[in-house]
This record gives sequence, structure tokens and C-alpha cells, in this order.
Amino acid sequence: GQQLNQSPQSMFIQEGEDVSMNCTSSSIFNTWLWYKQEPGEGPVLLIALYKAGELTSNGRLTAQFGITRKDSFLNISASIPSDVGIYFCAGQPILNAGNNRKLIWGLGTSLAVNP
Amino acid sequence: DAGVTQSPTHLIKTRGQHVTLRCSPISGHKSVSWYQQVLGQGPQFIFQYYEKEERGRGNFPDRFSARQFPNYSSELNVNALLLGDSALYLCASSLAAREGYTFGSGTRLTVV
Repeated sequence: GQQLNQSPQSMFIQEGEDVSMNCTSSSIFNTWLWYKQEPGEGPVLLIALYKAGELTSNGRLTAQFGITRKDSFLNISASIPSDVGIYFCAGQPILNAGNNRKLIWGLGTSLAVNP
Repeated sequence: DAGVTQSPTHLIKTRGQHVTLRCSPISGHKSVSWYQQVLGQGPQFIFQYYEKEERGRGNFPDRFSARQFPNYSSELNVNALLLGDSALYLCASSLAAREGYTFGSGTRLTVV
């Protein structure tokens, strides 16, 4: 199926470090979402972005909707052990019609934090 | 307030069998979507229902079907199970407007 290009694939960092990950697409998106998934659980929404250029924060997390509408990044500042998990980007292609809100997903960034 | 609930949480089926997965959306949410997540991959869109009507279908064979009930709960049915259908099946609900989906914890299906 269709997928976004998400990088890096995995990260292993020290507690307190900042983290940055990004997603790119070959097509234009009108919504970008960032989720975190822990083992045995469904994805949990972290940040939702709806406008090109939009910069949104949620605590230590900051995400931006790229100006070209084809990319987004997520930053985590001052990482802590509970940040461990898999982070997914997801986007809604602009060509989706009506109430069809199909999301296209990246392959995820696996984050490990060394205390 | 209850989130998205899915049942069962785990399921083991034999090839060729049929399975029904169930989802209850957040109260007030009228849109339900189903995703399949294979280990190590991101979720893949299967279906979306809004107000009991199918609004989207992903690239899955006809063995996959779904429906939404008047109370907005939903069922995903898979016939003639294959080994490759083993995955985490996720249900998500949302309001009709622009909002990110809220996901349930999923049903882990293993086909042997």
C-alpha cells in the first residue's frame, strides 16, 4: 500500500537529548498527524496539523506542517525514558473527497532513550 | 468517558475460517475507520464508514467487508482467512469535521 517516507527508521539517544524526525510525501496533503504507539496498544494522537506552515506544540513536542504541503517534522525536546515508543506520521491526501478521511502512514521511527 | 473499544483483544483462527471484529466508537463520533497493521509496518487503510455508509475502501480483497450500525458501532468481517491476514486490526473513530482519529487498542489476529 501507499506509504510516506519517514526518517530516521530508529534512534537511540541519551535522556535529555532533543530528537527530530520527519516525513515526506510525493503528493500534497491537507492534514498531517503525528502518533505514538507503544507495544500492544493502538496509536495515540500527539499533534494534528491542518494548515501549511502551521507550527504546533504539545508540551515538549513540536510539529510543523511544511510550506510545500509535502512534508512535516516532529521534534521532542529534553527526552525522558517514557518517550520510548514508535512514532508515526500520517497524512490525509488532498485528493480525498467528501468525508473520506483515509490516512496514509509512514513506517515509523522507533525511539529508544537511555536513562 | 470511554475511548474506542475493540473486541476481542486477541484471536487465533485457522486458515479458511471466518472472523468478525467489533468496534465501539467514542460517544458522539459518527465516523469509524478500520486499519490493518502488520508487524513492523504502519497501519494500512481498509474501510471508512460515516453515518452508516461506506465512504472509503482501501486496496483489500473482497474477503474483507464491514458495516456500521445505527448506534455507530462497526464490524469488520474477513472470510477465507489466509496466513497473511495475521495482523493487528485497528479501529478509529472521529467526528465528521477535521480532527485526528482516536484509535482503539486493536485486535491481534493470528491465523495458523
